[in-house]
Amino acid sequence: DIQMTQSPSSVSASVGDRVTITCRASHDISTWLAWFQQKPGKAPKLLIYSASTFQSGVPSRFSGSGSGTDFTLTINNLQPEDFATYYCQQTDSFPHTFGQGTKLEIK
Amino acid sequence: EVPLLESGGGLVQPGGSLRLSCVASGFTFSSWAMTWVRQAPGKGLEWVSTITSGGGRATYYADAVKGRFTISRDNSENTLYLQMSSLRAEDTAVYYCARTIVKYYGDLWGLGTLVTVSS
Repeated sequence: DIQMTQSPSSVSASVGDRVTITCRASHDISTWLAWFQQKPGKAPKLLIYSASTFQSGVPSRFSGSGSGTDFTLTINNLQPEDFATYYCQQTDSFPHTFGQGTKLEIK
Repeated sequence: EVPLLESGGGLVQPGGSLRLSCVASGFTFSSWAMTWVRQAPGKGLEWVSTITSGGGRATYYADAVKGRFTISRDNSENTLYLQMSSLRAEDTAVYYCARTIVKYYGDLWGLGTLVTVSS
């Protein structure tokens, strides 16, 4: 199975800051990676797929990059509604494993 | 109208069975692969199972549920199912169904249904 490791596990930031979250795969997954945002008590929301493709309706301050084993999610100009938990998921091969999550908190 | 609505969750004893349903509306259900993802209380997301669209309907399972859970679909009823048996305490979670786009990315999610396995 492919293991997905996110870092950091949690991060504190202020409105207007730039934040980068990293996801590392244990094997080469090409660009078969998605990023999700989840708020407490809510279903996950797809932000980016195929490593860097925006899902419809996602603000342009979110961006994704990477290929192979190393990927990043960057959020520019943090807004109050961005404080949530973020997950990466690989869909290169079954089982489609998720990272453990990164909690983005207000400083 | 909620595009995906799960039901069937509840309290079940260890070793028991439960069938979850996910009713789809507002899109051509038969054309999409579908996935179940779960989230234990206070924990992260865990992929559970995927079923493809079309006549082949290939199915895939996480090792943790293989042999105990069965994913299926009824395209005439626009409904996805997850039959769960031999339930364990570690199966306690909110179960989400999701529609998946290219390469199985979950683009549309239900509200979730809580399954609690406890005596």
